[in-house]
Amino acid sequence: NAGVMQNPRHLVRRRGQEARLRCSPMKGHSHVYWYRQLPEEGLKFMVYLQKENIIDESGMPKERFSAEFPKEGPSILRIQQVVRGDSAAYFCASSPLSGGARRGTDTQYFGPGTRLTVL
Amino acid sequence: KQEVTQIPAALSVPEGENLVLNCSFTDSAIYNLQWFRQDPGKGLTSLLLIQSSQREQTSGRLNASLDKSSGRSTLYIAASQPGDSATYLCAVSSGNTPLVFGKGTRLSVIA
Repeated sequence: NAGVMQNPRHLVRRRGQEARLRCSPMKGHSHVYWYRQLPEEGLKFMVYLQKENIIDESGMPKERFSAEFPKEGPSILRIQQVVRGDSAAYFCASSPLSGGARRGTDTQYFGPGTRLTVL
Repeated sequence: KQEVTQIPAALSVPEGENLVLNCSFTDSAIYNLQWFRQDPGKGLTSLLLIQSSQREQTSGRLNASLDKSSGRSTLYIAASQPGDSATYLCAVSSGNTPLVFGKGTRLSVIA
C-alpha cells in the first residue's frame, strides 16, 4: 500500500506566479489535511477536506490560497500570486476517518512534503 | 485555543544515553497525542500514538507517556544511537479539530 504521495517535492516560483501542490492520499483514505511548516516553526494546520467538500479551512489565509479534493484525482493546494513569505514546506496528510463513532482513533499519515521556494 | 510546547528546543547527548523529551498542552480535552520524527528535508514519521484513555505506549526503545490531567507527555528514548538524531514533534488531536503541533525538539546523538 503506497503511502501519501506529494508532488512536486521541490517547487521554485517567482513572485506573482501561481503554485500548485498535489497530494494523493493513501488508498482507501477519503480525508486530506494540509499543513504548512515555515522555517524554524512548527507545522500549522491549513485546511481539511473530504472528497468534494471543504470541512475546515480555518487555518488557510483568506486570500490567494485555495484547496480542493475532487471526486477523482489528487487534492490540490493552489497559491496564487505567490510572495516570498509563502516559502515553506507544505505537508499533506490523509486518514481513513474523521470524527464520529471512531473519533480519536484515526491516525494521520503524512506525505514527504513539497518545499516551495519563492524567489 | 490549544497550544503545544516542547522542551527543550534542542538537545545533544552522547551515544548510549537515555533521554527524555517533554511535551505540554494547554487544553486537556484531547482525544489522542502523537509523537513524530522528522529528518532534515523529509516528511513526518509517526512513532507512537497514545489514545486519551491510555497512559503509555511502547515501541522498541521508545516509550511515550501521557498525563492528560496535567497536560503533559514525555517521550523516553533508551540507549540512544546516532541514527536517532532528528527533530521530534509532539501533536495533539481534539477529535474533529486537526492536529496541533509543538515546534519540536532537535536531537543530536554524538557517536
